[in-house]
Amino acid sequence: GQNIDQPTEMTATEGAIVQINCTYQTSGFNGLFWYQQHAGEAPTFLSYNVLDGLEEKGRFSSFLSRSKGYSYLLLKELQMKDSASYLCAFMDSNYQLIWGAGTKLIIKP
Amino acid sequence: IAGITQAPTSQILAAGRRMTLRCTQDMRHNAMYWYRQDLGLGLRLIHYSNTAGTTGKGEVPDGYSVSRANTDDFPLTLASAVPSQTSVYFCASSDSPHGASGANVLTFGAGSRLTVL
Repeated sequence: GQNIDQPTEMTATEGAIVQINCTYQTSGFNGLFWYQQHAGEAPTFLSYNVLDGLEEKGRFSSFLSRSKGYSYLLLKELQMKDSASYLCAFMDSNYQLIWGAGTKLIIKP
Repeated sequence: IAGITQAPTSQILAAGRRMTLRCTQDMRHNAMYWYRQDLGLGLRLIHYSNTAGTTGKGEVPDGYSVSRANTDDFPLTLASAVPSQTSVYFCASSDSPHGASGANVLTFGAGSRLTVL
C-alpha cells in the first residue's frame, strides 16, 4: 500500500530554524512536492525533489532520501509570515499525487 | 491578475439540493482538477480534465460530476448534496496533464467552503 505521514503541528520561534519531516511508503516513486498553505487560502508550490539531496531556495530548503522514504523542509530565519500549513505530497508510479494531511507551523515572537 | 477564480467563496446548502461550484482559469493551462480538503486528511482528487472535452475520475468521484466545455472553465456539480460532502473544495490547474511525469506544479484557487446540513 501507499501512505504518507507528517507531524500535525509544530511550534518555532521567530528568527530560528525549523525542520518539517515527511515520510512516505510506496512501491513506485516519481518525485516529492512541498506546498505552503496559509489559513483560509490556496496552497502554493514551494519545491520539488526527484533526486536525493538538498535543494535550496532562499530561506527554504527541501531534502529527499529515496532509499529511506524521507523528505524534510527546512525553514531558516523564521518570520511571522511563515506561520502556515506545509503540505507534503509524493507522485506514485502512475504519476498520481498522494498528499499528506499537512503540518501546521506556529511561529511565536 | 492571472490565476484561478472560484465561486462561491462559501455556501450553506440543504441536503438533497443541487449545487454547482464554478472554476475559471486564465493561464491557458491544459489540465484542471477538483480537490476536497478535510481536517486531518490530505487533499483528495475528485475529478480532473486534461483537455477541453475530456474528464477523468479521481480518488473520490462518487456524488460529483464535472464538465469541460472549454479550456478556461471547469464546474463541479453535486447533484444531490449530502452532509458528508461538507468540505473545502479547491480547483487547480497545471500546464502538464494529470499523470504526466516531472514537476507538474499545480496552481490552486482560493477554495469554496461548502456546508451541507
